[in-house]
Amino acid sequence: DQQVKQNSPSLSVQEGRISILNCDYTNSMFDYFLWYKKYPAEGPTFLISISSIKDKNEDGRFTVFLNKSAKHLSLHIVPSQPGDSAVYFCAASALGFGNEKLTFGTGTRLTIIP
Amino acid sequence: EPEVTQTPSHQVTQMGQEVILRCVPISNHLYFYWYRQILGQKVEFLVSFYNNEISEKSEIFDDQFSVERPDGSNFTLKIRSTKLEDSAMYFCASRIRDLGTGELFFGEGSRLTVL
Repeated sequence: DQQVKQNSPSLSVQEGRISILNCDYTNSMFDYFLWYKKYPAEGPTFLISISSIKDKNEDGRFTVFLNKSAKHLSLHIVPSQPGDSAVYFCAASALGFGNEKLTFGTGTRLTIIP
Repeated sequence: EPEVTQTPSHQVTQMGQEVILRCVPISNHLYFYWYRQILGQKVEFLVSFYNNEISEKSEIFDDQFSVERPDGSNFTLKIRSTKLEDSAMYFCASRIRDLGTGELFFGEGSRLTVL
């Protein structure tokens, strides 16, 4: 049951350049999307989120874009820094439908090359 | 900064034994969750808990699993008779009651190894 998919298991980006992580979803009831970052031996840490009523949300170096018609979202990190190296998880929920649980993607391991 | 804390960080147990994983959610949070991540797989929802009762559970959360909030601070996950396939990292999470955000705060996880 892959309602949330991250098709790139890994991504390498030069320091200072833009990192773009992608996520696709299939469940049209999802109305809230989140990105989490995870270091080894730690729990996921919330990064940024977006409601389905928006198409863009920005927080410092992080921007999330949502394309509802394509059921696609992306996370842009610019400029990328070595500390951004981690596994990034896309997650979705159907808050407006009373479903608070998060459905996670499989993650993308981002490596920032100094 | 307030955080979710979990104990133990790692537990090794024999198949068939009972295990209790403990969590202290952030103090003003009202929704509590358990998720797990089997090695190399995605983070999966197990159960959500609100107002002293389970609000939703996944098909993974069968009769061998139970949750409890025995006092005002702890939130526990009990596995009655562990199986090999229960080996995973278990994450506790909590959030304040704000349906506008959905942001969950996760603990660092408890690694369970079933032999």
